[in-house]
Amino acid sequence: GQQLNQSPQSMFIQEGEDVSMNCTSSSIFNTWLWYKQDPGEGPVLLIALYKAGELTSNGRLTAQFGITRKDSFLNISASIPSDVGIYFCAGRGFGNEKLTFGTGTRLTIIP
Amino acid sequence: DAGVIQSPRHEVTEMGQEVTLRCKPISGHDYLFWYRQTMMRGLELLIYFNNNVPIDDSGMPEDRFSAKMPNASFSTLKIQPSEPRDSAVYFCASDLGNGVGELFFGEGSRLTVL
Repeated sequence: GQQLNQSPQSMFIQEGEDVSMNCTSSSIFNTWLWYKQDPGEGPVLLIALYKAGELTSNGRLTAQFGITRKDSFLNISASIPSDVGIYFCAGRGFGNEKLTFGTGTRLTIIP
Repeated sequence: DAGVIQSPRHEVTEMGQEVTLRCKPISGHDYLFWYRQTMMRGLELLIYFNNNVPIDDSGMPEDRFSAKMPNASFSTLKIQPSEPRDSAVYFCASDLGNGVGELFFGEGSRLTVL
């Protein structure tokens, strides 16, 4: 089946630093989404991408839909304590309602 | 508007017991998904429904797992008999079905099978 590999698996950064994570797929997707999960809660959508090459921003977050349709990245600028959590990429294939989730990137901010 | 509501939030049971997890999706959402999250395997899709009809249950691990959606506002995921390897957080999510692709997740049900 489809697999999404996310990297890095975990990140330890200082407040104010920029963060970059990416996701690669063995299959082509027509939609890429990035979710964040806080402890004890379900994932929440951050950004959605629908077109190859698309670059979308949401506040300090920027995400891109790779031109090959097999990858995506997420950048967070000037990290703050509330950015701590697990970030998941998710992809959806053509004519398919179900999402395949990546393995997750755990972000920790060092005081 | 209330989000996706799951119950129970936590369940501890003994191996061999039946477990029933419940979900109330957001009103008006056409799709309902059941996911399982573990450290080892991440978020796995178990089954999803469209307009109360099961569309894809290929992610259901084995016959011990079953899911139903008797109406648009309620779904259950049942494990019978439960085993320790079923211990995980089970999430229900719903989707409006408007092509945007945004899943709204519940807070999850943490299951521990002893």
